This record gives sequence, C-alpha cells and structure tokens, in this order.
Amino acid sequence: DAGVIQSPRHEVTEMGQEVTLRCKPISGHDYLFWYRQTMMRGLELLIYFNNNVPIDDSGMPEDRFSAKMPNASFSTLKIQPSEPRDSAVYFCASSSRLAGFWNEQFFGPGTRLTVL
Amino acid sequence: GDSVTQMEGPVTLSEEAFLTINCTYTATGYPSLFWYVQYPGEGLQLLLKATKADDKGSNKGFEATYRKETTSFHLEKGSVQVSDSAVYFCARTWGGSEKLVFGKGTKLTVNP
Repeated sequence: DAGVIQSPRHEVTEMGQEVTLRCKPISGHDYLFWYRQTMMRGLELLIYFNNNVPIDDSGMPEDRFSAKMPNASFSTLKIQPSEPRDSAVYFCASSSRLAGFWNEQFFGPGTRLTVL
Repeated sequence: GDSVTQMEGPVTLSEEAFLTINCTYTATGYPSLFWYVQYPGEGLQLLLKATKADDKGSNKGFEATYRKETTSFHLEKGSVQVSDSAVYFCARTWGGSEKLVFGKGTKLTVNP
C-alpha cells in the first residue's frame, strides 16, 4: 500500500485566500484524522471521521475551517479565508480497528501551509 | 482531562550514549500508551506501544514499560545512533475512542 497520501506537500498563499488540503487514507481504514502541528502548540487534533462521518470536531479552531469526507478514500480540509496564524504543517492520519491495528494511526507526510 | 506530559527538549547525546525520555500520563481509565517518532520532513510513525499495566513495548532497540503505579511510560535505548535523531512523541488513548492525546514532543539529536 502507498500509505496515507496528502496533497499538496507545500502550499503558499496570501491572506484571505481559500486553501484546500487533500488526503487519501490507507485503503480499508475506517478512521481518518486531521492534525495541525506548530512549534507553539505542538500537535493538535482538529477533527476525526469514522466511516466518513465526523465524530469529533471540537478541535476545529473556528468557522473558517471545515472538513469533509465524501467517500472512504478521500477527505478535504478547507480554510476560508486563510490567515497568517493558520501557517502550520497539517497532517492526515488513518487507522482501523480491524487486523489488530487498534489505535495505531498511520500518518501522511503532511502539507506545509504558509499564509503570507 | 486526559493528558500526557513529556520531558522538554532538546536532548543532545553522543553516539552510543544511553537515552531516557520521560513521559507521564493522567491516570483516568485504562489507556493504551504509545511512542511515535517523527523524522525530519516526515509524518509521525508508531515506534512502540503497550496496552495494559506492566506491558513492555519494544522496537528498534527502544523500550518502554507501562507503569501504572507511577503513571509513567518512559522511553529508553541503551545505545543511540545518529540515525535516531528525530522528535519523539508520547501518546495515550482518550476514553474508549480512537482519539490519541499527544505530548508536546522531545527533539533528540545524536552527534557522531
């Protein structure tokens, strides 16, 4: 398997623009997580899905952030409008309670977002 | 709430030195405990885990023992290598969910 795939790997945008980050989880995994990593705040869970349904979005910072999972193989995290404080590395991870991988999350390589 | 506290870095060691990175967790419920490692420019990957008290997780020469009496899960390695330079994260499960709560990470640099 190719692992968790994220795109783009790097994104530079200007304040006020819409940003869309994409994630393809590992095939067969039924959980998908979005994280944000910054030096100041460390690794923060933004939202996670189970079987394409959002389970916990309490970490989403504000209404400017939204996430969707239209099917089992694709998810998006959208920021509209973007602000400089959104600059961070955004990770997607997936997991499955099947096959003994209880709670083991597989992370993608991340998207480094810079908002100017 | 459920949380994890790990020692602040950075930690700098010489090759073949002994490594300990401390991690303690809040004693709520019966969490599973994890160590993840993040190499430069990459996502996190699972290093080892333990699911109940007194379990020892091990991988690539790293070990950690689930200590319920001290609510600790310290990471150890007897002889570090330059290739072990990375950021290490301690984590626990949150309630009975698939959520993980991560510590802030400890950056390890190993010099030749």
